[in-house]
Amino acid sequence: AQKITQTQPGMFVQEKEAVTLDCTYDTSDQSYGLFWYKQPSSGEMIFLIYQGSYDEQNATEGRYSLNFQKARKSANLVISASQLGDSAMYFCAMREPYTGNQFYFGTGTSLTVIP
Amino acid sequence: DTGVSQDPRHKITKRGQNVTFRCDPISEHNRLYWYRQTLGQGPEFLTYFQNEAQLEKSRLLSDRFSAERPKGSFSTLEIQRTEQGDSAMYLCASSFTRGSATNEKLFFGSGTQLSVL
Repeated sequence: AQKITQTQPGMFVQEKEAVTLDCTYDTSDQSYGLFWYKQPSSGEMIFLIYQGSYDEQNATEGRYSLNFQKARKSANLVISASQLGDSAMYFCAMREPYTGNQFYFGTGTSLTVIP
Repeated sequence: DTGVSQDPRHKITKRGQNVTFRCDPISEHNRLYWYRQTLGQGPEFLTYFQNEAQLEKSRLLSDRFSAERPKGSFSTLEIQRTEQGDSAMYLCASSFTRGSATNEKLFFGSGTQLSVL
């Protein structure tokens, strides 16, 4: 089974609008971490936001927020006030520290911001 | 503050040749990871080091792949007898962590794009 599922291969959003990128995960661990990374065309993966499985509040980092619904095993990324520079691939990832130190990545969502 | 650097950025080789990539992590980071990424996919775990010890290798990593991290600093990834299926972006990432932490954040390099002809 896939550890991380991102069902939106591509998304479009108007500049200055908000957009939600979906992510669901699969784990039987109680302790895990969820991450979102941005990969522009230059190739470097850039960390955006982190949510711990025990965190009661949704994580926020500037224009990024993570809509964490533990019972549904979803960790959607919300980008508010989209900018042209937000156009990139976005990857959801999970770490299960007690079952190995791998980070599992989804297949990504390509976001295009339209002026 | 220098980030993770990888060399070369691009490598074109002929099938059957050996190639070696280098990764220089952030200096105080004790963990170093190698990932492979093909077009349209997310990064796929290959192996990781804690200091100089290679602690885990993916089952996907064939015997043609070998990685080292002498002295716990830079790392090299060598692919012997390259095949066309090895064509991919090879990403290196580093982190600092004590023990098992869910919030271990990876810092990635820009990758080495390998093309096997």
